Amino acid sequence: DQQVKQNSPSLSVQEGRISILNCDYTNSMFDYFLWYKKYPAEGPTFLISISSIKDKNEDGRFTVFLNKSAKHLSLHIVPSQPGDSAVYFCAASAGDYKLSFGAGTTVTVRA
Amino acid sequence: KAGVTQTPRYLIKTRGQQVTLSCSPISGHRSVSWYQQTPGQGLQFLFEYFSETQRNKGNFPGRFSGRQFSNSRSEMNVSTLELGDSALYLCASSLASGGVTEAFFGQGTRLTVV
Repeated sequence: DQQVKQNSPSLSVQEGRISILNCDYTNSMFDYFLWYKKYPAEGPTFLISISSIKDKNEDGRFTVFLNKSAKHLSLHIVPSQPGDSAVYFCAASAGDYKLSFGAGTTVTVRA
Repeated sequence: KAGVTQTPRYLIKTRGQQVTLSCSPISGHRSVSWYQQTPGQGLQFLFEYFSETQRNKGNFPGRFSGRQFSNSRSEMNVSTLELGDSALYLCASSLASGGVTEAFFGQGTRLTVV
């Protein structure tokens, strides 16, 4: 039962433009959400997180938006850079000591 | 500050064998979690330990087990290996004593079962 869904397996964006990654969830008990970035042959790297009491969190080029009524969150990367080419995972927690992950979105930043 | 260290990085095992993977968390982190990543799949939660106690377990068969030591280092064991156990096994540590905060991952152990 996939409780966190990333419906776009891939995204291609031009360098300097905005990358928007989307994530939907079904479990209303989720109260903390995270985004991770993963390069091949490496472990995921934490990018940014947001608590369910907020609707936006910003850290440099990365902004996460949370729409609880729609059970939807998104990650905006502005401007996109070649080093941003990686797989991005959305994850969620219900306070039960585990993270539920989406299947990931592969981002390719074109020069 | 050293990151999460997983050993070994790569393993090749034969069906029916067992394997033990090791994880050393970031210094001061007492929560250690394990995840399995297979091609085309997201990360699937295996189990989480805090202060040597398992607090949650994912939907994996009993062949998958783990433990945590008093120094917070953790091991996971897979017995009677099957071809489908071939995966990247990731360990993550966090400061969390309750709930979840940011988890920091190691580079993983790539297990191949032949």
